[in-house]
Amino acid sequence: EVQVLESGGGLVQPGGSLRLSCVASGFTFSTYAMNWVRQAPGKGLEWVSAISYTGGGTFYAHSVKGRFIISRDNSKNTLYLQMDRLRAEDTAVYYCTNSNGISGDNYFEDWGQGTLVTVSS
Amino acid sequence: QSVLTQPPSVSGAPGQRVTISCTGSSSNIGAGFDVNWYQQLPGTAPKLLIYVYTHRPSGVPDRFSGSKSGTSASLAISGLQAEDEADYYCQSYDRGLSASVFGGGTKLTVL
Repeated sequence: EVQVLESGGGLVQPGGSLRLSCVASGFTFSTYAMNWVRQAPGKGLEWVSAISYTGGGTFYAHSVKGRFIISRDNSKNTLYLQMDRLRAEDTAVYYCTNSNGISGDNYFEDWGQGTLVTVSS
Repeated sequence: QSVLTQPPSVSGAPGQRVTISCTGSSSNIGAGFDVNWYQQLPGTAPKLLIYVYTHRPSGVPDRFSGSKSGTSASLAISGLQAEDEADYYCQSYDRGLSASVFGGGTKLTVL
């Protein structure tokens, strides 16, 4: 059974930092690209970032480029998202999801339950 | 404003058939990139419903089907059931943005 479990969300002040983690099991983590997708309260889905199965390739949405860093540790089946210089508009539930590719014709197969990040003073 | 355009809401009675459209442009759907669909039940995470326009993951009923026409795609749900009440999102890739993009979502109400 596939399991994807995010953690690390919470309340942070504008300009602050937070590190999200995602532990996956039930599939061969090291052979899948991984992504973060977020959903602001009452809003739709927004792709945030992707990383290749080796970790050698990373991609970011324009809205987070230069502030967020995605990484992975295949020995621990874990995905990370380091979020710096957080803004109110980053407030959202952050989902971890695997995909069949890193860009182009890729789709998001398995999703975690999400972790809520709230940026507020 | 989402790159992919979906109707905000659709509705239908149990047993009926509804369709949800997803309109893109020459930078995404029209460029030949695949369209995928996700179902998000209230209070839960999204779930892959249809991939590469028409394929269903294991466990998804064949009441759900997808299609493509030009710069648009559609999701059809036949034999509507109360449990189908959810938000539905289309997703593709945009070469201008170099990013995966989602539609704004469509709320399906089963009357």
